[in-house]
Amino acid sequence: QITLKESGPTLVKPTQTLTLTCSFSGFSLFTTGVGVGWIRQPPGKALEWLALIYWDDEIRYNPSLRSRLTITKDTSRNQVVLTMTNVDPVDTATYFCAHRMTTTKAFVDWGQGTLVTVSS
Amino acid sequence: DVQMTQSPSSVSASIGDSVTITCRASQDVSSWLVWYQHKPGKAPKVLIYAASTLQSGVPSRFSGSGSGTEFTLTISSLQPEDFATYYCQQAVVFPITFGQGTRLEIK
Repeated sequence: QITLKESGPTLVKPTQTLTLTCSFSGFSLFTTGVGVGWIRQPPGKALEWLALIYWDDEIRYNPSLRSRLTITKDTSRNQVVLTMTNVDPVDTATYFCAHRMTTTKAFVDWGQGTLVTVSS
Repeated sequence: DVQMTQSPSSVSASIGDSVTITCRASQDVSSWLVWYQHKPGKAPKVLIYAASTLQSGVPSRFSGSGSGTEFTLTISSLQPEDFATYYCQQAVVFPITFGQGTRLEIK
């Protein structure tokens, strides 16, 4: 059974750095074809893809946020970390991590998401 | 970026009805199109990938079709648990992009 869980602060002040951790089980980033991505959903809005890291260390970012994002993995601990610098109230959203396979190019398993509010 | 446009933005239907949602891509994405179902407070769930392949465990009343720039998701014989928001996502070009969502409401 595959599970993913996001963790991190629920409230962050503007200009601070947000760090989110995705802890997963049931699959491994040692496995060829596996990736873990981050997607967010502002309240009442659509899903927005943020970043993706693959088993082979390939990384992709959404260009609209590239300068503020860093995604890393700790393969042995089954964790992926996303950092977002200089947050703004518009970054208030539910942040999801998800398991992606290169064979299907779909995010086949998702965490429940974590709501992050950016406010002073 | 590849813009994904869904229509309608919302639709009302009754139990047992059939519903079709359309997703249009601003450029050719071949068959690399994914459909998700999302309910409030829950994790999104993949329904269909590669435009028409049903994800394991998804009921057969869900079906997808299309290629290139136009795709459809059809839900036949709507069940109470199908009322949710549906998103399409193109999977071939970075950045990965989603449609704006179609909210399926009970009539």
